[in-house]
Amino acid sequence: GENVEQHPSTLSVQEGDSAVIKCTYSDSASNYFPWYKQELGKRPQLIIDIRSNVGEKKDQRIAVTLNKTAKHFSLHITETQPEDSAVYFCAATPNTGFQKLVFGTGTRLLVSP
Amino acid sequence: DAGITQSPRYKITETGRQVTLMCHQTWSHSYMFWYRQDLGHGLRLIYYSAAADITDKGEVPDGYVVSRSKTENFPLTLESATRSQTSVYFCASMGQGNGYTFGSGTRLTVV
Repeated sequence: GENVEQHPSTLSVQEGDSAVIKCTYSDSASNYFPWYKQELGKRPQLIIDIRSNVGEKKDQRIAVTLNKTAKHFSLHITETQPEDSAVYFCAATPNTGFQKLVFGTGTRLLVSP
Repeated sequence: DAGITQSPRYKITETGRQVTLMCHQTWSHSYMFWYRQDLGHGLRLIYYSAAADITDKGEVPDGYVVSRSKTENFPLTLESATRSQTSVYFCASMGQGNGYTFGSGTRLTVV
């Protein structure tokens, strides 16, 4: 089945710096790649997603890139702010005909003022 | 997202007891999911459902049972709770475009 690996497990940056979180997936037929943000004690919330027919997608300070050949995708956060501090999860949907997500193990991002 | 609710929010139970976690969504989404979240493991799929009366196992189904008699409800039952089932449980539903919406979670402690 699909396997999603996520790195790094923790990431500390200074406010205003950029942050990059990377994920790799195993199933070349996977076609949907969302990113979720989870603040402490809260539910995961979808922040951005990308489909396999697109190489890059941006939404204000966040962007996701996808390299299908290498089977990896990345989350980029620019001009980080303290409120970006959270755990971020990547996920992939295997092409099994059923839209279940396989998640990475998460990255704890800490943005220091 | 008040459209998907989980109950209870917190639960402490004893080893060997049966526990049911509730999940209710108001959107009439066909797909619903149960995940457990543990440190170092991220979110792992327990069971999922494509529609009422259609359920299937995920990655970690052992010790759990689900049912889906109505589209809006997807309860998760731990038949005989064990300490290894101490976790945070998230229910989710999927609407158009593949995006999941998660419930607020149930923190379960088995003592």
